[in-house]
Amino acid sequence: QVQLVQSGAEVKKPGASVKVSCKASGYTFSSYDITWVRQATGQGLEWMGWMNPNSGNTGYAQKFQGRVTMTRNTSKNTVYMELSSLRSEDTAVYYCARVMWEQLGYYFDYWGQGTLVTVSS
Amino acid sequence: QSVLTQPPSASGTPVQRVTISCSGSISNIGSNYVYWYQQLPGTAPRLLIYRNNQRPSGVPDRFSGSKSGTSASLAISGLRSEDEADYYCAAWDDRLSGVLFGGGTKLTVL
Repeated sequence: QVQLVQSGAEVKKPGASVKVSCKASGYTFSSYDITWVRQATGQGLEWMGWMNPNSGNTGYAQKFQGRVTMTRNTSKNTVYMELSSLRSEDTAVYYCARVMWEQLGYYFDYWGQGTLVTVSS
Repeated sequence: QSVLTQPPSASGTPVQRVTISCSGSISNIGSNYVYWYQQLPGTAPRLLIYRNNQRPSGVPDRFSGSKSGTSASLAISGLRSEDEADYYCAAWDDRLSGVLFGGGTKLTVL
């Protein structure tokens, strides 16, 4: 069965960086993009961007450009999301999800369990 | 502020039918499919509706989606207590070249 397993919770100081991992199993890793979505406590979902594990190509939401980097390790079937210059507003649960592209749409059919990132001095 | 607009809350009694609206623009809902996600308390979101009105396997037929112009709706019939959750609409936006989510609707089963 398809599974996305994320790394554990992190606590970081303002200005630092955080790197969250997402390990995929149960399907051909290179065949599906992975996306990242975050959710601040009590708030809604916010899309951050995507990565193609086969080519390494990425696309980032304008809000995060310059601060987010998505990478992958194909030998480990793992995608990483690194967010730099952290501030308190980045405190959130970060989810990875598998992407289904279609001609008029783009959706997420399997999700990781989420990783809580807390930014606090 | 989300570009896709949803009511912050909705409610209904067991067995009732409730609808949740999602309003967008020509660059998102007006041009692309709408998707709905259900998020039970303390869990990751789950795909509920894809391609405006299709249900993934395992989603009960009590859930249905529709779209007209730049708006979409999620209907839940025969409400059950386990339907208490947050519901989010989503669509690709051609102008932003990215995914937009609605602000979410918290459903309470009275």
